[in-house]
Amino acid sequence: KAGVTQTPRYLIKTRGQQVTLSCSPISGHRSVSWYQQTPGQGLQFLFEYFSETQRNKGNFPGRFSGRQFSNSRSEMNVSTLELGDSALYLCASSILAGVNTGELFFGEGSRLTVL
Amino acid sequence: KQEVTQIPAALSVPEGENLVLNCSFTDSAIYNLQWFRQDPGKGLTSLLLIQSSQREQTSGRLNASLDKSSGRSTLYIAASQPGDSATYLCAVTDQAGTALIFGKGTTLSVSS
Repeated sequence: KAGVTQTPRYLIKTRGQQVTLSCSPISGHRSVSWYQQTPGQGLQFLFEYFSETQRNKGNFPGRFSGRQFSNSRSEMNVSTLELGDSALYLCASSILAGVNTGELFFGEGSRLTVL
Repeated sequence: KQEVTQIPAALSVPEGENLVLNCSFTDSAIYNLQWFRQDPGKGLTSLLLIQSSQREQTSGRLNASLDKSSGRSTLYIAASQPGDSATYLCAVTDQAGTALIFGKGTTLSVSS
């Protein structure tokens, strides 16, 4: 059974550009959550999607957005990149909506470097 | 606001030693608690999930306990091995199930 797949694994952008990251959940999982991991702040929740609808959103500026497609794949977009957006972006999937419904399975992450 | 603290931040032990990692949280109204492992530059691997109604969970050499009233959880690793070297993260979910709230992790190094 394939795990959570995130692409690209590594990317380098410059300030002001935008970036799109992709996440394919485990087959049959309908919930996708996104987290940002930095050395200073640790892991922070960005948003969760279930059945193409955003259920929850963390405390991030509007430059961070996402969407989910009918096949449960999800994308997140960061516009007008800042140096502080350099981080490992992790995607997690679960069968049901809400992080309290069971185990989360994480992908390997997309490491974004902003120069 | 829920806060999760993990102490110590780093731990070095010789192979074969039993060890305990600690996790504390400020709001006892949690729905569940999960322990994860993260290898350098990698994603997270779920180790154990404890529902709020449970006291502990076991998987192989790992045992996690939960004491909601005191806001604490421990991860016990028996007979540590070099392959156990990684960062261990604990995370709690609030009862609304909005998000996982993570601690900063404990980086474990097991020497052979």
